[in-house]
Amino acid sequence: EAQLVESGGGLVQPGGSLRLSCAASEFSFSNYWMSWVRQAPGKGLEWVANIKDDGSTKNYVDSVRGRFTISRDNAKNSLYLQVNSLRAEDTAMYYCASTTYRGGWYAFDYWGQGTLVTVSS
Amino acid sequence: QSALTQPASVSGSPGQSITISCTGTSSDVGGYNYVSWYQQHPGKAPKFMIYDVSNRPSGVSNRFSGSKSGNTASLTISGLQAEDEADYYCSSFTSSDTYVFGTGTKVTVL
Repeated sequence: EAQLVESGGGLVQPGGSLRLSCAASEFSFSNYWMSWVRQAPGKGLEWVANIKDDGSTKNYVDSVRGRFTISRDNAKNSLYLQVNSLRAEDTAMYYCASTTYRGGWYAFDYWGQGTLVTVSS
Repeated sequence: QSALTQPASVSGSPGQSITISCTGTSSDVGGYNYVSWYQQHPGKAPKFMIYDVSNRPSGVSNRFSGSKSGNTASLTISGLQAEDEADYYCSSFTSSDTYVFGTGTKVTVL
């Protein structure tokens, strides 16, 4: 079964940056769109961004466009999220998730366990 | 994009059926058959339960079913069990080529 493992989270000051990573295994990573989804403490899920299998198309939620950049390295089976100009409201658990044939191509079928980003001075 | 609207909480006794609604617009729920549902237990990652409005992935109990009418999708859990107590979220693909999640519903088994 596919495994997704996130890393790179931590405590950062407002205005700071982080690079989140998601390593995929047991999974044809290069064939699928991938997404980042976040969840603020005690709150609901929020879709953040996604990227096409070949990296040619990227989409973002309005609240992060211009500050966050999604990318991938298919040779390393890895997904990334560069998060810049961080704000307190970006504090959340960040999950990577796939959209594959298993979920009809438009559902998030595999999820990682998440990496926590805390923005605080 | 505004979050899809779900009831904050739904409860039922063991063995009963409950239904969770998910209301959007013609730009998301009403415009596409790409509604999915997720179950999340405390401290755990979400698990997908339904895709394309009403399809169940392998391994998900047939007690879970989905439907849609207009701009509102629904998840029904029949034969409610203690293990079904969790948060549930809907999600939809949108006309902006993005996704939007619902506000989330806490299911309590009485």
